[in-house]
Amino acid sequence: GQNIDQPTEMTATEGAIVQINCTYQTSGFNGLFWYQQHAGEAPTFLSYNVLDGLEEKGRFSSFLSRSKGYSYLLLKELQMKDSASYLCAVRGDNDDKLIFGTGTRLQVFP
Amino acid sequence: EAQVTQNPRYLITVTGKKLTVTCSQNMNHEYMSWYRQDPGLGLRQIYYSMNVEVTDKGDVPEGYKVSRKEKRNFPLILESPSPNQTSLYFCAISQGLNTGELFFGEGSRLTVL
Repeated sequence: GQNIDQPTEMTATEGAIVQINCTYQTSGFNGLFWYQQHAGEAPTFLSYNVLDGLEEKGRFSSFLSRSKGYSYLLLKELQMKDSASYLCAVRGDNDDKLIFGTGTRLQVFP
Repeated sequence: EAQVTQNPRYLITVTGKKLTVTCSQNMNHEYMSWYRQDPGLGLRQIYYSMNVEVTDKGDVPEGYKVSRKEKRNFPLILESPSPNQTSLYFCAISQGLNTGELFFGEGSRLTVL
């Protein structure tokens, strides 16, 4: 079967660093995406990894290890506006769809 | 900038009363899809379309229909809505999942009584 696991909730303090993990078991692998979703809003794209290693984009970085079926999203210098859900999604053998995890709700406190 | 417009944004209806949620895009993207989002279950794909007149089932297609008569529109049809279809629905488009991410509409919150 296809399965994507993420922690349900995390909390962190403004200015800190937080790492959100995602593990996946899918039929094949053709890329992993991270999306951010604020409450009541649509998901928005954050990052895409298809090769092993770290992709950095400003305060956000995403890491992928295909052999371990593992990714993480790293958020640095946390701001209050980073309070949101973070969705991990994998494109497996079926090129036409993304399989989403249930998301990690991050709360940033002052 | 990609724009995906869904209507209605909010709807309360009753069991059995047919309804359509429209989705329109301004990017000329070939790929369009519908997702529903439920607490604890995440985003699940209902149907998708790779191009005009080409549609395929996603993971949870039961109780839904779609059509793709024009490139820009991809309506979601609930012929006989039931309470278990109460959900938040998102339409999403892409240039192609191999290189492009999904752009989501603002969502349509549907309640079936």
